[in-house]
Amino acid sequence: EPEVTQTPSHQVTQMGQEVILRCVPISNHLYFYWYRQILGQKVEFLVSFYNNEISEKSEIFDDQFSVERPDGSNFTLKIRSTKLEDSAMYFCASREASGANVLTFGAGSRLTVL
Amino acid sequence: QKEVEQNSGPLSVPEGAIASLNCTYSDRGSQSFFWYRQYSGKSPELIMFIYSNGDKEDGRFTAQLNKASQYVSLLIRDSQPSDSATYLCARTGGNEKLTFGTGTRLTIIP
Repeated sequence: EPEVTQTPSHQVTQMGQEVILRCVPISNHLYFYWYRQILGQKVEFLVSFYNNEISEKSEIFDDQFSVERPDGSNFTLKIRSTKLEDSAMYFCASREASGANVLTFGAGSRLTVL
Repeated sequence: QKEVEQNSGPLSVPEGAIASLNCTYSDRGSQSFFWYRQYSGKSPELIMFIYSNGDKEDGRFTAQLNKASQYVSLLIRDSQPSDSATYLCARTGGNEKLTFGTGTRLTIIP
């Protein structure tokens, strides 16, 4: 079964450092998403990406965050200067262009900011 | 705000019984509703989705949608210990993002 692949599975970084989280969406999917989940809290939307541009972003997705699709397969989330409160599980998701709005999630990247 | 509300639980159900999970939403423009299951430390996995009023069945799972009451539920029949997880309700309107509730933690007691 096709799956969304995320790397790394766990990253520990110092506050103020840049972090890049990588995702390989399902190959025929055209919509890509990043969500995050702080421990014990709900899954929160960060950003959606379609046709090589951001289609929607949340208040959380401030200037410290950026997304990129550098080639035909990867979809990355960059956090420029990490804060303690960025510690969370980050989930990448993708879906087809048509049909039900069914998201398939990757296994997640756990980010720990010290 | 297009909020989704769920009782956080925990909800404890004996093995073999029916587990009933409930969710309400605030935006009447919501079109589709999703139930995801999330095991601790894992990513959400889709159980089923529903967009028409009424019931939709898939194996031991039944989703129920009542748009007039802005209410969606998930029934799990013949509950198994492996059903113990957090169940996330989510909604969307067209090509909008998926908005999740806080989830209900379900424990199946052997």
